[in-house]
Amino acid sequence: EPEVTQTPSHQVTQMGQEVILRCVPISNHLYFYWYRQILGQKVEFLVSFYNNEISEKSEIFDDQFSVERPDGSNFTLKIRSTKLEDSAMYFCASTGGSSTSPLHFGNGTRLTVT
Amino acid sequence: GDSVTQMEGPVTLSEEAFLTINCTYTATGYPSLFWYVQYPGEGLQLLLKATKADDKGSNKGFEATYRKETTSFHLEKGSVQVSDSAVYFCALSFPTGNQFYFGTGTSLTVIP
Repeated sequence: EPEVTQTPSHQVTQMGQEVILRCVPISNHLYFYWYRQILGQKVEFLVSFYNNEISEKSEIFDDQFSVERPDGSNFTLKIRSTKLEDSAMYFCASTGGSSTSPLHFGNGTRLTVT
Repeated sequence: GDSVTQMEGPVTLSEEAFLTINCTYTATGYPSLFWYVQYPGEGLQLLLKATKADDKGSNKGFEATYRKETTSFHLEKGSVQVSDSAVYFCALSFPTGNQFYFGTGTSLTVIP
């Protein structure tokens, strides 16, 4: 069964550094998402992406965050200048876009900002 | 606005006990409803779904029925196993905008 893949599985970075989290969504999917989950807490929506542009974003997704689909297969999340509170699991997800399609999630990238 | 409210956890049950995790939603229109499961150290996996009123989703012995009159989608399993220990998330989506809303998650621990 096709799956969403994310790399790396764990990223450690120093405060103020830039990080790029990478995702390969399922190939025939049209909608792409980033969610984050601070340890033991709820899954929070960050951004959705369709037709090469952001379709919706949450208040968490401020100017420090950006997303890109550089080559038709990868979908990346960039955090320009990381803060301690950015430490979390970041999940990429995709869906085919029909009215009943579920989200398919990757296994996540654990980001630790020190 | 649209939202999902889940039963607070954590929930601890003995093996073979009956499980119910409550989920209610607030939405205008006709959302699709989902239960996702997150095993320790993993991502969220779709457990089951229902796309219209009175539909019953089922998978791995879990069931949930889309109840429009009570705006609920409670998750049930007749006999839980240790391997069911995980966090369970209720979610809804709308076809327009492809936005998904998640509940806060309910942690389940099943003890032998």
